[in-house]
Amino acid sequence: ETGVTQSPTHLIKTRGQQVTLRCSSQSGHNTVSWYQQALGQGPQFIFQYYREEENGRGNFPPRFSGLQFPNYSSELNVNALELDDSALYLCASSVATQSLSGNTIYFGEGSWLTVV
Amino acid sequence: DQQVKQNSPSLSVQEGRISILNCDYTNSMFDYFLWYKKYPAEGPTFLISISSIKDKNEDGRFTVFLNKSAKHLSLHIVPSQPGDSAVYFCAASPYNNNDMRFGAGTRLTVKP
Repeated sequence: ETGVTQSPTHLIKTRGQQVTLRCSSQSGHNTVSWYQQALGQGPQFIFQYYREEENGRGNFPPRFSGLQFPNYSSELNVNALELDDSALYLCASSVATQSLSGNTIYFGEGSWLTVV
Repeated sequence: DQQVKQNSPSLSVQEGRISILNCDYTNSMFDYFLWYKKYPAEGPTFLISISSIKDKNEDGRFTVFLNKSAKHLSLHIVPSQPGDSAVYFCAASPYNNNDMRFGAGTRLTVKP
C-alpha cells in the first residue's frame, strides 16, 4: 500500500471522446506525476504537477492535460482519444525536496484505459 | 529516445540462487537511480535506490550497484525467492527532478 489511490480502475472509451482520470496522493506528498505505460513497455513520463502548476512535461501532445488541487490530488485529462492512447495510466506522488537522496516516487495501482 | 535500457526482457533463476538484473543509461545528467517491482494488475512498487555519490546500496536481500563510468547499474537479489517473480523496472532521474525515465522492464521468474 503506497497511499496513492486512482480512479477509475478500468474504463472503455470510444475514439474521439474525452476522459478524466483521478488521483489522490500519499499524505504529505506535494508533487504528483502521471505516467503512461503501454503493454510491454516501461512507464513513460507525461507531466508533473507541483503547487498546482505543471512542473515538467514529457513528449506528449497538448491534448494530454492535467490539474492539481490545493489538497494535492490531481486529474489527468485526455481529449480526442486515439486508439494508441489505450494503456495503463499511473499516478505517482512524492515530496519535492533538496535532499541528496533524490526523490522517490510512489505509484498508485493505475487506471486501465481502453479506446475502441 | 530511450535513455534507460534494460536489454534482457526476461530472466529465470532457481530459488536460492542470485538474480542479477542489469540496466544501462545514456544521460550523464542522471543522478538518482531506482528499481521498482511490478506484479500484474498492480502499480510499480519502490524497491531500492542509489544516488550518484555512491556505488553500492544494500537493503536486506537486495543490493544495487552503480558504475557511473560505464553508465550501468545492476540489481542483485540474494537469495532469490519465488515471491520475487515479477517485472523489475530500472528508473533514473536528474538530481531533484521527478522526471523519471524508466526502462522497458525485465520479467524475473524464480523457480522453486
